[in-house]
Amino acid sequence: ETGVTQSPTHLIKTRGQQVTLRCSSQSGHNTVSWYQQALGQGPQFIFQYYREEENGRGNFPPRFSGLQFPNYSSELNVNALELDDSALYLCASSTYLTGGTEAFFGQGTRLTVV
Amino acid sequence: GQQLNQSPQSMFIQEGEDVSMNCTSSSIFNTWLWYKQDPGEGPVLLIALYKAGELTSNGRLTAQFGITRKDSFLNISASIPSDVGIYFCAGQSDTGNQFYFGTGTSLTVIP
Repeated sequence: ETGVTQSPTHLIKTRGQQVTLRCSSQSGHNTVSWYQQALGQGPQFIFQYYREEENGRGNFPPRFSGLQFPNYSSELNVNALELDDSALYLCASSTYLTGGTEAFFGQGTRLTVV
Repeated sequence: GQQLNQSPQSMFIQEGEDVSMNCTSSSIFNTWLWYKQDPGEGPVLLIALYKAGELTSNGRLTAQFGITRKDSFLNISASIPSDVGIYFCAGQSDTGNQFYFGTGTSLTVIP
């Protein structure tokens, strides 16, 4: 049990629609990262939020956006959904420890775009 | 983006056997993490490594941070059926915030 919770667990959307995914970080963790995991592949970094500001972004278009709230929870928003956006979306909660960073993942949101 | 090569891609072993898998990158990392992922679930952190040459154990699992800082290894001793899953390595450099993930090693343990 990581203490990182994501909602919803599953979602089906139609191409062109918008979606919002939510993540509650582990207690004491001030950094949240979002990853996209396509079937059979490793997670790909979308972006990271630290103290409510975007703190690094991967190779994803601007229609992928996010927010972090004062309690460190976060949202991932995807506009104009495309079929290729179908994937498992993972939220990782982390904090810098003496020596390095540990990142703990939630159970993910399975998004299907039809 | 950064590509981590993880091998082998899949393994089929008998219960009780030892397992070895590795991960290599073209860039230097200052953190290596190893995860296990079950189908439809999020990755679960197994071991974290922060120093070149570091050897860390977690029960039957042992991982090492390569001396060159471009590779890492995970060993599982005396495998059991619940070890089945996909194992991912993840590396982080000191110039970025993201973790780069390997392609995964699928482990099947035959009772």
